[in-house]
Amino acid sequence: ELKVEQNPLFLSMQEGKNYTIYCNYSTTSDRLYWYRQDPGKSLESLFVLLSNGAVKQEGRLMASLDTKARLSTLHITAAVHDLSATYFCAVGSGGATNKLIFGTGTLLAVQP
Amino acid sequence: GAVVSQHPSWVICKSGTSVKIECRSLDFQATTMFWYRQFPKQSLMLMATSNEGSKATYEQGVEKDKFLINHASLTLSTLTVTSAHPEDSSFYICSATRGQGGGKLFFGSGTQLSVL
Repeated sequence: ELKVEQNPLFLSMQEGKNYTIYCNYSTTSDRLYWYRQDPGKSLESLFVLLSNGAVKQEGRLMASLDTKARLSTLHITAAVHDLSATYFCAVGSGGATNKLIFGTGTLLAVQP
Repeated sequence: GAVVSQHPSWVICKSGTSVKIECRSLDFQATTMFWYRQFPKQSLMLMATSNEGSKATYEQGVEKDKFLINHASLTLSTLTVTSAHPEDSSFYICSATRGQGGGKLFFGSGTQLSVL
């Protein structure tokens, strides 16, 4: 059974600082996703990582995937208040069906 | 980009009544849709996989007689919460995939269900 864990669960950081969110998963998968969720809202897709060593960057966020270690990271550079949200990683399961198992989520609070 | 519409956005109902939530893919045909439930401050838990024209596949621990899923067309899947109780109050989110295998999933806007 695929299990996905994120850490930390909660992250309070100051504007301008850097930090990394980690996503570990228990079984082999060929795709990993990162999403952002604002309170009371649905999910906003951030990144899709499909191969070992994949690195994607958008603005202050950068995601990477190490399939051998079953680890993905979401790195935040020079955080700003607008990045405050909950971030989820999700790992593909079930082959062709695109079924996703979500991580526990990381609540990010960026303090001015 | 692809859009998935979910309706209603929020619903309040009395205990014992049934509530139907719709998930539509607006500009693509979705052979597979997924239903998730999210309790406050928790992650998304997959409830079931909905395939057009066939019975849904439910995850372990999800009561198929309580959460009825119908995927009658390539653009519409519905989730009916039957005989709702306060413990069913949750945020329900659907997602749809355009094809098979990797690539993006498109999420609906979510439905907040409150059962009184």
